Amino acid sequence: SQTIHQWPATLVQPVGSPLSLECTVEGTSNPNLYWYRQAAGRGLQLLFYSVGIGQISSEVPQNLSASRPQDRQFILSSKKLLLSDSGFYLCAWSRGTPSGNTIYFGEGSWLTVV
Amino acid sequence: GDSVTQMEGPVTLSEEAFLTINCTYTATGYPSLFWYVQYPGEGLQLLLKATKADDKGSNKGFEATYRKETTSFHLEKGSVQVSDSAVYFCALLLSNTGKLIFGQGTTLQVKP
Repeated sequence: SQTIHQWPATLVQPVGSPLSLECTVEGTSNPNLYWYRQAAGRGLQLLFYSVGIGQISSEVPQNLSASRPQDRQFILSSKKLLLSDSGFYLCAWSRGTPSGNTIYFGEGSWLTVV
Repeated sequence: GDSVTQMEGPVTLSEEAFLTINCTYTATGYPSLFWYVQYPGEGLQLLLKATKADDKGSNKGFEATYRKETTSFHLEKGSVQVSDSAVYFCALLLSNTGKLIFGQGTTLQVKP
């Protein structure tokens, strides 16, 4: 069966510090991968999505970046965190084809920037 | 651009009332449509989906019909329960890009 894991689950980081959130999927190959952020009082915002290794599409220009060094690994990074980066970050995956496949979410990571 | 718009919440209902949460979308091509639910303290779960026009998704008493002519995917339930209290997200998946876009979420509060 397929599983998705992301870590760390919670972290508190000072303003200006770097960030690295990792996500891995097991039990499938060539998944579509996503990073979302759910800020307090707001909905889910798509940050990045990837349909293959090295293929990253950015939806929101900001100080975050994403990388996909391996087929089932998706990393969200920042060189210098801002207060506004605080929120709940969700990694997700879906099968590449056909369309209409279910999206599976990781457990989420709570980030507090202080 | 591609987007999903949901009715603003919170929606507050009494138990056994009829529920409608409106969702409309803008998309190029032919997206698949989803409703996700997030119960308090839990992660997102798929509630139902529809992959083409006129399809009806249903689960746990909830229903939504893919209306291409009105670009809508409204969520309905005939009789809500307290346990349905949650945040509901409408979403679309663009098959040509794999991009999944969510609405802003609608909070439902059901009172006994």
